Amino acid sequence: AQSVTQLDSQVPVFEEAPVELRCNYSSSVSVYLFWYVQYPNQGLQLLLKYLSGSTLVKGINGFEAEFNKSQTSFHLRKPSVHISDTAEYFCAVSPSYGGATNKLIFGTGTLLAVQP
Amino acid sequence: EAGVVQSPRYKIIEKKQPVAFWCNPISGHNTLYWYLQNLGQGPELLIRYENEEAVDDSQLPKDRFSAERLKGVDSTLKIQPAELGDSAVYLCASSFATGSGEQFFGPGTRLTVL
Repeated sequence: AQSVTQLDSQVPVFEEAPVELRCNYSSSVSVYLFWYVQYPNQGLQLLLKYLSGSTLVKGINGFEAEFNKSQTSFHLRKPSVHISDTAEYFCAVSPSYGGATNKLIFGTGTLLAVQP
Repeated sequence: EAGVVQSPRYKIIEKKQPVAFWCNPISGHNTLYWYLQNLGQGPELLIRYENEEAVDDSQLPKDRFSAERLKGVDSTLKIQPAELGDSAVYLCASSFATGSGEQFFGPGTRLTVL
């Protein structure tokens, strides 16, 4: 079975400052990793995903994440945040084999609160 | 291209009443999911369909919840009777049957049970 831990429930940051949202996972098999963003009263939107290859993944809106297999982490970063980045961010994992690739397990989410 | 469509967006009912949610997935997506999202939590899978077949419904409380996906396209999730603890957001998502596992989410239905 897989699990995802997002230790920070809320991350306050000032506009134009850098930010890192932490994600750690647990799995006995190889996994795919995802970051989703959820704006208020909306569904989840994919920010980026790691399937294989380069461990540094770039996504939409200037976000990037780095897969670290030894530390079982997939932290999300942005060098300079905007007010519009205020949202809930979810890390998710799925097994990378067979029919289980569609089974997403989500973390509890991190609220990124960008202040002017 | 249209995304995943859900209706209604909001629903308020009295406890013990029935309620139904509807989802239209992205055209061509074989796999459809229903998730439950409680306040301050990540989505949790209720049921997953591959075409018309429910291939994973282990987390669906079958005493009061039911779902169907007739003709392998639209889907309906029903609760009967609703309880206070069912107040949450119900998300529908869709994807291709194989591949990276990337799922596309609808805006959700926010259910309030009074």
